[in-house]
Formats: sequence, structure tokens, C-alpha cells
Amino acid sequence: QLQLQESGPGLVKPSETLSLTCTVSGGSISSSSYYWGWIRQPPGKGLEWIGSIYYSGSTYYNPSLKSRVTISVDTSKNQFSLKLSSVTAADTAVYYCARLVVNHNDYWGQGTLVTVSS
Amino acid sequence: DIQMTQSPSSLSASVGDRVTITCQASQDISNYLNWYQQKPGKAPKLLIYDASNLETGVPSRFSGSGSGTDFTFTISSLQPEDIATYYCQQYDNLLQTFGGGTKVEIK
Repeated sequence: QLQLQESGPGLVKPSETLSLTCTVSGGSISSSSYYWGWIRQPPGKGLEWIGSIYYSGSTYYNPSLKSRVTISVDTSKNQFSLKLSSVTAADTAVYYCARLVVNHNDYWGQGTLVTVSS
Repeated sequence: DIQMTQSPSSLSASVGDRVTITCQASQDISNYLNWYQQKPGKAPKLLIYDASNLETGVPSRFSGSGSGTDFTFTISSLQPEDIATYYCQQYDNLLQTFGGGTKVEIK
């Protein structure tokens, strides 16, 4: 059974860089059939797609976040990562990692809350 | 960017009722429309993909239809365990957008 698990600091200071890692188990991140992505949800609000990456390293970002986002993949560790720079309180959210198959996200991590505060 | 307008934002219905949620895309997205269920404190769960295909293991009371710009999600007979927020999601050239969500409650 495929599992995804987010990890990283739960508290980030304003203007700093948020860094999260998603570890994939029960399957290979190098499969040619899937993309891997990040989605976030501010408290009490809806879902926002952040970006996706292919195992080869090709990336696709939400235009509204593109200037601050970097997603990378480490196939040797079966992980992919998110970096979001210059964070503000508006970036406080639950961050989910997910597997994208064709055009839908079929497996999700449990999510991790990241709070931006000094 | 493709925008998704989902309605209503919330609804209240009785157990056994038929529930319908709509999602409208700002431009033609063919059938690249998916529906998710999210319960409080949990990750979203895929219910319907490609507008009308039921994900494996999802009860048949859930269904979806539509193409182009107008899509519908239906629960044929609302059950207590269906209390959740439902989201549509479009996919266009590897970019995704979610609808604003519909919170479903029991009357």
C-alpha cells in the first residue's frame, strides 16, 4: 500500500524559507506513470495546488506562487521536497503531499501544519 | 488561469436525500474534472475522476457528470458518514485548480 509522509518544521519565521519533505513508501517515486505534488490548505479555507514534479526533475508550479517555490526530487531516498521562500502569515497552512496519476491526486499524505510566526 | 466556481458553498439535507453540487470552469476543460471528499482533520479523498469515473472502493451512491465547462456531483441518498466538504479540481496542462468547496451537513 502506497504511503506518503510529510516532514519538516512546524514553525517558520516571517521572511524565512519553509522547507518540507515527502517520503514515499510502498512504491517507487521513479515510476514513469506518476507525478508528485504539493497542495496546501490554510486553516478553515480551501485547497490550493502549489506544484508538481516528475521523477526526472521536470516541475510545474502554480503561477501565483511560482516566484517563491522550488520543488525537487531525490530518487535515491524516494523523497521529494518543497521550498517556499519569503514566507508571511498568509502561508500558514496544512501542507499535503500527493501522488498525481494522469490528472488526479489519488494518494495523499496526512498533512502537516506549518505556522508562520515570529 | 482556469477558475473553478463551485456551488453551493454549503448545504443542509436530510438522510436519504439526493444532494447535488455543481462546478463551472472558466473555459473548456473537456472531462478533466475530479471530485474529492474531505472530512475534518483528514486529507482529501478522491471520489470521482475524469468527471464520471468512480474511484475504486467508493460507494455507488456517489456519481459525477458533465463535460466542457459544467459539471455535477451527486450523492443519490445522503448518509450520515457523507458529512464532509467536497471539492472539485480541474487539470489543464499539468496545472491544477480547486473549487472553493461545498460543506455538506445533515438537517
